[in-house]
Amino acid sequence: DPKIIQKPKYLVAVTGSEKILICEQYLGHNAMYWYRQSAKKPLEFMFSYSYQKLMDNQTASSRFQPQSSKKNHLDLQITALKPDDSATYFCASSQTTSQNTLYFGAGTRLSVL
Amino acid sequence: GDSVTQTEGQVTVSESKSLIINCTYSTTSIAYPNLFWYVRYPGEGLQLLLKVITAGQKGSSRGFEATYNKETTSFHLQKASVQESDSAVYYCALGEGNMGYKLTFGTGTSLLVDP
Repeated sequence: DPKIIQKPKYLVAVTGSEKILICEQYLGHNAMYWYRQSAKKPLEFMFSYSYQKLMDNQTASSRFQPQSSKKNHLDLQITALKPDDSATYFCASSQTTSQNTLYFGAGTRLSVL
Repeated sequence: GDSVTQTEGQVTVSESKSLIINCTYSTTSIAYPNLFWYVRYPGEGLQLLLKVITAGQKGSSRGFEATYNKETTSFHLQKASVQESDSAVYYCALGEGNMGYKLTFGTGTSLLVDP
């Protein structure tokens, strides 16, 4: 059974709209992250959370807002969507932020038309 | 900055044949980078295949091997005899020991094993 659940698997949105990507982990980890992979590009780190607090933000745009309502949740809200936001978004976790073995979800593939 | 290069976007190998997936890295910010191979099977998340934290050492898992070569800044993934179940996307990555969550990934190599 997957230990990191991302919903939905696929998402189609129109330019200018807002979407929330859901991530729940059942590994008992204290650190959670978001990565993104656009077409033909490497996965790139976006955010890190530790004990539900933002630790690191590598995303220039404020349109991307992580939200942690529970210890094992880290959702990603994206506002004013643009076609360039089309990518697969991966949630990941680790026991702590000093651990470099990450566990990833299957991803949410977002297409912005 | 840091970067990881995987030159092959897609590789097709016949079952029982050998495999090499190339990976080279570059870093200006990490004195002692840790190197990783992650694998993503269809419909699943990325999972760690192997990691090596010391230059000159070899990591191995599930029949795959990779040697951390600091001289050539390479970390190629090899397997002597692939199976159809090895069909997946393989990602090379580098990271720092203490801020291990911030990995720099390559673009991935999609491996298709012909039965």
